[in-house]
Amino acid sequence: ETGVTQTPRHLVMGMTNKKSLKCEQHLGHNAMYWYKQSAKKPLELMFVYSLEERVENNSVPSRFSPECPNSSHLFLHLHTLQPEDSALYLCASSQVWWDQPQHFGDGTRLSIL
Amino acid sequence: GQQLNQSPQSMFIQEGEDVSMNCTSSSIFNTWLWYKQDPGEGPVLLIALYKAGELTSNGRLTAQFGITRKDSFLNISASIPSDVGIYFCAGHRTDKLIFGTGTRLQVFP
Repeated sequence: ETGVTQTPRHLVMGMTNKKSLKCEQHLGHNAMYWYKQSAKKPLELMFVYSLEERVENNSVPSRFSPECPNSSHLFLHLHTLQPEDSALYLCASSQVWWDQPQHFGDGTRLSIL
Repeated sequence: GQQLNQSPQSMFIQEGEDVSMNCTSSSIFNTWLWYKQDPGEGPVLLIALYKAGELTSNGRLTAQFGITRKDSFLNISASIPSDVGIYFCAGHRTDKLIFGTGTRLQVFP
């Protein structure tokens, strides 16, 4: 059971498609995060939002575009992805920016054909 | 980039055995966290450590924040089948949260 909900749970898309991942947190937190989890690699931070403002962007390619319309919702818009972008994308939230602990969603398993 | 060295990478143990895993870093951290990830799910926080030397338990789990602030270990006593999963350490400092590569635990009955 989690206070952070991600949809869809699985997504298969072609390299020319446009899709979006959604994250919703029901914990009243003010900070939200996107992570990429690839096999046998540590979790990689992609984006951080605090009070709906982006506060960190870790050199992520522009084919990934985040959006945070309010403190409860976070989106990751995907466009023209590459096969190496196939991974588990995890959303997390915390009370304030970089406050610990972070609470994770169950992720979206993304496969790029 | 910064890395946490987590070991072992994987463990295959029999039910009832104790388990120990650790994380080391060349950098100092203010907080150490231990997460568990079950297949098809996101990481779930097990234990958070906020002070050097701190020893904290959560049921059969015990974790310690190393006195040098550069390492942490997690022990699981009397393992059971539901302990199966991937365990991640994470070190937090200011605006950085660095994850280890994980320890995959298999428990056989």
